Amino acid sequence: SSELTQDPAVSVALRQTVRITCQGDSLRSYYASWYQQKPGQAPLLVMYGRDNRPSGIPDRFSGSSSGNTASLTITGAQAEDEADYYCNSRDSSGNQVVFGGGTKLTVL
Amino acid sequence: QLQLQESGPGLVKPSETLSLTCTVSGGSISIISYYWGWIRQPPGKGLEWIGSIYYSGSTYYNPSLKSRVTISVDTSKNQFSLKLSSVTAADTAVYYCARLHLTASIDYWGRGTLVTVSS
Repeated sequence: SSELTQDPAVSVALRQTVRITCQGDSLRSYYASWYQQKPGQAPLLVMYGRDNRPSGIPDRFSGSSSGNTASLTITGAQAEDEADYYCNSRDSSGNQVVFGGGTKLTVL
Repeated sequence: QLQLQESGPGLVKPSETLSLTCTVSGGSISIISYYWGWIRQPPGKGLEWIGSIYYSGSTYYNPSLKSRVTISVDTSKNQFSLKLSSVTAADTAVYYCARLHLTASIDYWGRGTLVTVSS
């Protein structure tokens, strides 16, 4: 079982704002990272640290964290943002890596 | 540009050992602040961390797989490898190799290789 919890599915209307959340005790000590995965592709890092976007990731993606919850926000969702999103971090002991179960984002 | 490429058999028989190698190109595997790891994804399911290794050889494994997993590194070949013993159908998955920062952020992934466990 995953130590990080995500909602299985979220939907958003085109060009609207959506927040995807990730909860877990380890997030009180460690930042989450976020990955976008489209069918048949490897995951792609879209957010890491406090609110850092890798080069090439659109600025409509942003991140935040409070207590045991990390969030990935997409402001003005586009059709190409439809994908599975996973969070991960170190676990509470700091020695392991854990993933959330993933959130399937549908853009309507 | 760093690239990672998995290689190994796509079909493994039950009870046998799954062996994969990841070749790193475009950069050195002997880099501080980064680990090299394996992540898998069963068909239609989520991501599962298998384990990680530092270039010095220090290893960290998923407790649920620890008894069956060995990860090793060969800095002279810029490669690291995964061995998973006593496989069952539940080990059928796409296996990714990846570079992990100390924070667990994964910035480079291989394309993944499907390994099927079947007789």
